[in-house]
Amino acid sequence: DTAVSQTPKYLVTQMGNDKSIKCEQNLGHDTMYWYKQDSKKFLKIMFSYNNKELIINETVPNRFSPKSPDKAHLNLHINSLELGDSAVYFCASSQSDGLTSTDTQYFGPGTRLTVL
Amino acid sequence: SQKIEQNSEALNIQEGKTATLTCNYTNYSPAYLQWYRQDPGRGPVFLLLIRENEKEKRKERLKVTFDTTLKQSLFHITASQPADSATYLCALEGSYIPTFGRGTSLIVHP
Repeated sequence: DTAVSQTPKYLVTQMGNDKSIKCEQNLGHDTMYWYKQDSKKFLKIMFSYNNKELIINETVPNRFSPKSPDKAHLNLHINSLELGDSAVYFCASSQSDGLTSTDTQYFGPGTRLTVL
Repeated sequence: SQKIEQNSEALNIQEGKTATLTCNYTNYSPAYLQWYRQDPGRGPVFLLLIRENEKEKRKERLKVTFDTTLKQSLFHITASQPADSATYLCALEGSYIPTFGRGTSLIVHP
């Protein structure tokens, strides 16, 4: 059984387009995250949601909009894609409340986004 | 500002030897520190967590130490195998934002 799944695995698109990445976890966790890993392999948090509520928004451009329809899903929508958005995006979940501690993170397989 | 440092250069060792990876941090007072393994094209996978009041933690061939005075954690893999080749990331809990180091690549040669 896949614990944290993301779709699509690869996404190639033109500058200016709008795209979405979906994430689902079947671990029963309350907190979900989006991370961006750039070409230098630096893994940086973008957002976290606890029980469908936004907890962390780490100075990400407002072209990025996360949406959590329920606590098992956290999708990422990106408007007006730019070259610099090319990276691998990882979804993760954890048991923590997202505010007082960050328990073990369970990561998805990643989505490699290439903006041409 | 808060900073996590891991050796950016790859660590090359011979099979059977002990690999030791370092994680240094500044301007943190983490309650715990975690180590993850990342293989190419995959997401990081949790390995070990060590709390601030623990000096050492072991799991099979893995050992982690945590020195809050030195602000350093060491990650050891004993009797290393080529299958241990991967990037190893340390992560700190700080102000409820999980923060990862850049990782150190380990290459174990047969």
